[in-house]
Amino acid sequence: QSVLTQPPSVSGAPGQRVTISCTGSSSNIGAGYDVHWYQQLPGTAPTLLIYGNSNRPSGVPDRFSGSKSDTSASLAITGLQADNEADYYCQSYDTSLSGWVFGGGTKLTVL
Amino acid sequence: VLLVESGGGLVQPGGSLRLSCAASGFTFSNYAMSWVRQAPGKGLEWVSAISGSGGKTYYADSVKGRFTISRDNSKNTVYLQMNSLRAEDTAVYYCAKNTFTIYAHSDWFDFWGQGTLVTVSS
Repeated sequence: QSVLTQPPSVSGAPGQRVTISCTGSSSNIGAGYDVHWYQQLPGTAPTLLIYGNSNRPSGVPDRFSGSKSDTSASLAITGLQADNEADYYCQSYDTSLSGWVFGGGTKLTVL
Repeated sequence: VLLVESGGGLVQPGGSLRLSCAASGFTFSNYAMSWVRQAPGKGLEWVSAISGSGGKTYYADSVKGRFTISRDNSKNTVYLQMNSLRAEDTAVYYCAKNTFTIYAHSDWFDFWGQGTLVTVSS
């Protein structure tokens, strides 16, 4: 079980907006540590999607956005496209485990 | 930035394996490096990290005492020596670049290699 909890799956139709939650605790997100998001397309390595809660690396479209509040964070994707189908992971630091931790991952299906 | 892992393969329980990650496209010694693994059909798990100088190393509890991370800045390469391997260590092992020189709690992984598969089985 991951210390960061994500829904196993979400889905949406092309053009719609979806959000993926990442729920932590006072030993990670709630302690003030930043949250980062990664996209893993089928059969490939993860790539950075959002860093520092809400910042996009160059090349990531502004359809992807991140936010953080209290002990949780969210990734929002607007204008869903078929090639957004992937697994999405959140990541932060946990003081109890003394290391970086990932959420369990969320599989996004574009209907 | 390019990260290329090698050294994966099939090993028996209790055996050892050394993974390598050759880096290019950035000033290698300026950045901490990490290993992250993914068991078949499962999520991501951070395994180990090393500071840019190589002087500081960090491990997840699941591998502490069995795995050793090191780096050779003259060869732009980071290594993961894995001993006393168990079936639960079976995974794709990714090399990932950190964004800080030192181990920073709010750091992230901005570039990843393609991964190398380690299978622990008799």
